Order: sequence, then C-alpha cells, then structure tokens
Amino acid sequence: AQSVTQLGSHVSVSEGALVLLRCNYSSSVPPYLFWYVQYPNQGLQLLLKYTSAATLVKGINGFEAEFKKSETSFHLTKPSAHMSDAAEYFCAVSDGNTDKLIFGTGTRLQVFP
Amino acid sequence: KAGVTQTPRYLIKTRGQQVTLSCSPISGHRSVSWYQQTPGQGLQFLFEYFSETQRNKGNFPGRFSGRQFSNSRSEMNVSTLELGDSALYLCASSLGALTGSNQPQHFGDGTRLSIL
Repeated sequence: AQSVTQLGSHVSVSEGALVLLRCNYSSSVPPYLFWYVQYPNQGLQLLLKYTSAATLVKGINGFEAEFKKSETSFHLTKPSAHMSDAAEYFCAVSDGNTDKLIFGTGTRLQVFP
Repeated sequence: KAGVTQTPRYLIKTRGQQVTLSCSPISGHRSVSWYQQTPGQGLQFLFEYFSETQRNKGNFPGRFSGRQFSNSRSEMNVSTLELGDSALYLCASSLGALTGSNQPQHFGDGTRLSIL
C-alpha cells in the first residue's frame, strides 16, 4: 500500500527565509509524487510533480522538490519565503495506473514579516 | 480555458436527507475524481470515473455514489446524510487515459456541505 507522511503540521518562517516542508513516502512500486497548495476557501493547486524524469523538480512560484530514493523523501523547498506563500501544503502519491491520489495530512505554512 | 466548476459552493442539509453535488471538468478532460476533506480525516479519495465508468473506488460506505455522463460531467450523491458527512467535497479532472497517465489533476474549489 502507498502512503505519505508529512512531518510537522505547522511550519513558521520569516519573510525571506528558506522554506522546507518535509514529505516521506512509502510505495512498493516506483511512485509518482506531487505537491499541492491550498489557499483558504479554495481547492488544491498543483505545485509540482515527480514522474521519474528528473530527481530535482521545479514547480510554480519558485518552489522545487528533490526525489531521494535512498531516503524515501520528497521534500519541498523555496529559497526565500513570501507572505503570499502562507497556505496549506499537501504531499501526495499515486501508483501511476489511475488518477487516485493518497494525500498526506498537510502542513500549514505561516510567513511572518 | 475555464477551470473545474463545482456546484453548489455551499449546501446545508439535515440528517437523513440526500444530496447531489455536481462537477464540470475542464473541457477535453475525461477523468473525474472526487475527494472528501475534513479536519479529522484530511483528504480522502472517494472515486474516479473515466469515460462514464468507475475506475477506482475509495473506502466509503455505499451511501456515497457517483456517476459520469457522456460529456464527462460528474455527479456524486450521498444518501441518508449523517453529521459526519459534513466536509468539503473536491472534484478533480485530468485528461486521463485508458490505463492512467498521471496527467496533472486540476481541482475545483469544492462544495462545502454542512449537516445539521
């Protein structure tokens, strides 16, 4: 069975600081991994996805994530946080056979001025 | 290009009633998936439809059902509503493929269902 674990339900950073949101996965098959962002009263927006083409994946809004098979991790980073990055972030995994996504529990990012 | 449209945005029902939620996917998208989001259980997969066929189903009771029409629009129905069904119901669409291609899924803004 596939699953993802997001470490830290809340992360707080200062504007301009590094953002690091952690995600570890468990999968018996090569996984497809995703990061989504959710702003209040909105649906989910895809930030980036890993599908085995490259281990370092660049997404929208300056975010990127690195797939590390040895650590079963897919952490999300952004060099410099902006106030507009405050939102909830979800890591998700699928097996690639269907569109079914298994989501982590989410990490709420707060950005302080 | 219009995004995924979910109607209604907000809905209030009482226990025992039934409800139907609607999802219009992005034009050209053939796969539609539904998710339930609650503070306690997080985001949970309900079901996925492709070309009017249910391709995958989550671990929800039979009170939760869905269907997809020939124009790819989808509806989900919940019968005999319970207090625990209060949630944000999200629909997502993708181009899809016969065996799944992991095309990016695009989410609507959801329907917030409150059960009194």
